[in-house]
Amino acid sequence: GQQVMQIPQYQHVQEGEDFTTYCNSSTTLSNIQWYKQRPGGHPVFLIQLVKSGEVKKQKRLTFQFGEAKKNSSLHITATQTTDVGTYFCAGILRSGAGSYQLTFGKGTKLSVIP
Amino acid sequence: DGGITQSPKYLFRKEGQNVTLSCEQNLNHDAMYWYRQDPGQGLRLIYYSQIVNDFQKGDIAEGYSVSREKKESFPLTVTSAQKNPTAFYLCATRTEGNTIYFGEGSWLTVV
Repeated sequence: GQQVMQIPQYQHVQEGEDFTTYCNSSTTLSNIQWYKQRPGGHPVFLIQLVKSGEVKKQKRLTFQFGEAKKNSSLHITATQTTDVGTYFCAGILRSGAGSYQLTFGKGTKLSVIP
Repeated sequence: DGGITQSPKYLFRKEGQNVTLSCEQNLNHDAMYWYRQDPGQGLRLIYYSQIVNDFQKGDIAEGYSVSREKKESFPLTVTSAQKNPTAFYLCATRTEGNTIYFGEGSWLTVV
């Protein structure tokens, strides 16, 4: 079945440093999504990437979808303490037969040291 | 106010008991999901439903059961057959644009 690997599992950074988390899929994806879960909270949708090679930005966050649509990354510039949480990617695979499969990566837990 | 309501937020279960977690949504979404999250771990799919009166097993369905009699409701029963049920349970819906919305979750502890 479809697998989505996410690395690293944990990342500790000094406030102001950059942070990147990577997702790799075993199959070519239709779309990829990113979610953020604050400590004690529930995952919240951040963004969806659809096109090969797509790059989207949200303030200090930059999301990329690989040319082959099998990998993606989330980069945070100059981290702040408000960035603390776990970031999940979710790969979506749709088939012509109407099937839909969504697979979450295991997440990257980001800690920011003030 | 539109959204997903999960209840109870905290639940304690004695060994051998069945418990049911409620999930109600007023977003008019067809697809609903139940995920389990263990501390520091990712999301594992228990069951999902694409439409009323239909549901499918996810990756870790053993020891759980669901029903989908109404579009708004997708309750999850954790049965006594689930040997390690202590976890954070998340209900979710999916929009036509594939965005997943999560409820605030229910913490289940076996005592």
